[in-house]
Amino acid sequence: DSGVTQTPKHLITATGQRVTLRCSPRSGDLSVYWYQQSLDQGLQFLIQYYNGEERAKGNILERFSAQQFPDLHSELNLSSLELGDSALYFCASSQRQGAPHNEQFFGPGTRLTVL
Amino acid sequence: LAKTTQPISMDSYEGQEVNITCSHNNIATNDYITWYQQFPSQGPRFIIQGYKTKVTNEVASLFIPADRKSSTLSLPRVSLSDTAVYYCLVGDGGANNLFFGTGTRLTVIP
Repeated sequence: DSGVTQTPKHLITATGQRVTLRCSPRSGDLSVYWYQQSLDQGLQFLIQYYNGEERAKGNILERFSAQQFPDLHSELNLSSLELGDSALYFCASSQRQGAPHNEQFFGPGTRLTVL
Repeated sequence: LAKTTQPISMDSYEGQEVNITCSHNNIATNDYITWYQQFPSQGPRFIIQGYKTKVTNEVASLFIPADRKSSTLSLPRVSLSDTAVYYCLVGDGGANNLFFGTGTRLTVIP
């Protein structure tokens, strides 16, 4: 158990819908990362937050957004869902934001299925 | 942006030493090299991290040459439970993207 929690574990929805994925980092970790993993794209970095502020942005679509709240939990919002958004979404946390690149602790993931 | 290249797959017999190499030709000065292990339907798990030369912990060693354009993860005496995908990650955790490599699928054969 990494100490990172993600809810829900599974999510099934229809195209065009909007969903919210939730992540609670390890106690004391200020940095949260979101990743998408699909069969054809591998593990893709989406976005990073540190203490409530966006710090790094990866291959995140405009239909996706995220935020980190004062209690440090984070939410990833996916809207106008398409079939291709079906994937495992991982959240990870670490203590710091910058160099040296700190160890990330990954949650169990949320499996999103878009029908 | 430092991207990485790894072999897609490797096979090894139990008890052998396995070396997985990652190429990162445009690694930046502030970048560290980190390796993760991932089992199916689980999040990646940290194995080891280094900046230069050699780093060793209880599960693996990481060798980084002076030019830092590549790195090698060494797993001593692998067992069946080491069958997983291994990712090489290069970045400073800051403004740059955090690129996972293509991953190397290691299969340990009895």
